[in-house]
Amino acid sequence: NAGVTQTPKFQVLKTGQSMTLQCAQDMNHEYMSWYRQDPGMGLRLIHYSVGAGITDQGEVPNGYNVSRSTTEDFPLRLLSAAPSQTSVYFCASSATFSGRFSYEQYFGPGTRLTVT
Amino acid sequence: SQQGEEDPQALSIQEGENATMNCSYKTSINNLQWYRQNSGRGLVHLILIRSNEREKHSGRLRVTLDTSKKSSSLLITASRAADTASYFCATVGGYSTLTFGKGTMLLVSP
Repeated sequence: NAGVTQTPKFQVLKTGQSMTLQCAQDMNHEYMSWYRQDPGMGLRLIHYSVGAGITDQGEVPNGYNVSRSTTEDFPLRLLSAAPSQTSVYFCASSATFSGRFSYEQYFGPGTRLTVT
Repeated sequence: SQQGEEDPQALSIQEGENATMNCSYKTSINNLQWYRQNSGRGLVHLILIRSNEREKHSGRLRVTLDTSKKSSSLLITASRAADTASYFCATVGGYSTLTFGKGTMLLVSP
């Protein structure tokens, strides 16, 4: 199993550009999520999904869109990049149990995004 | 907003010593998890403790949970240089979100 994969590893955008960060998992996990990590801030949840066709907002959703058309993929779209979105982005997945999330999360290697 | 807060923010010890990190949280939880992050890498799950458990062991790791004080501690015994990393606690409260603290940076010197 490849686990959770993310592409690209690094990206530089200009303010106002849009792009999609890709995330895929091959563990048949129902739950997937996106976090951003900023220095001294820990990880903050952007969006999450509990299954194909179901998404919800996390703590910091503004400026980001997600969709979940398949179990495997959970792309994160930046609509109009801003310098405040410079961060490291992590995708994670987890199995769920009886509809309640209680399992460990598996993280991808991250995407380092710089917006100039 | 951050649910868990780790203490200390940074910890520097010698190989062979024990390392203890603490985590405090604010609201009731379903379970609490500890993760490790090596520099520039993704997070790796270490251990999960449920709200009805008080202590859990995994290899050189020992986690305690005190729900009355809303706190948890992670003990790494006989630390090695390879344990150098950031350690995060994360709480699971409601349906499906995991809330992370800001982490403790551990440096283990040979």
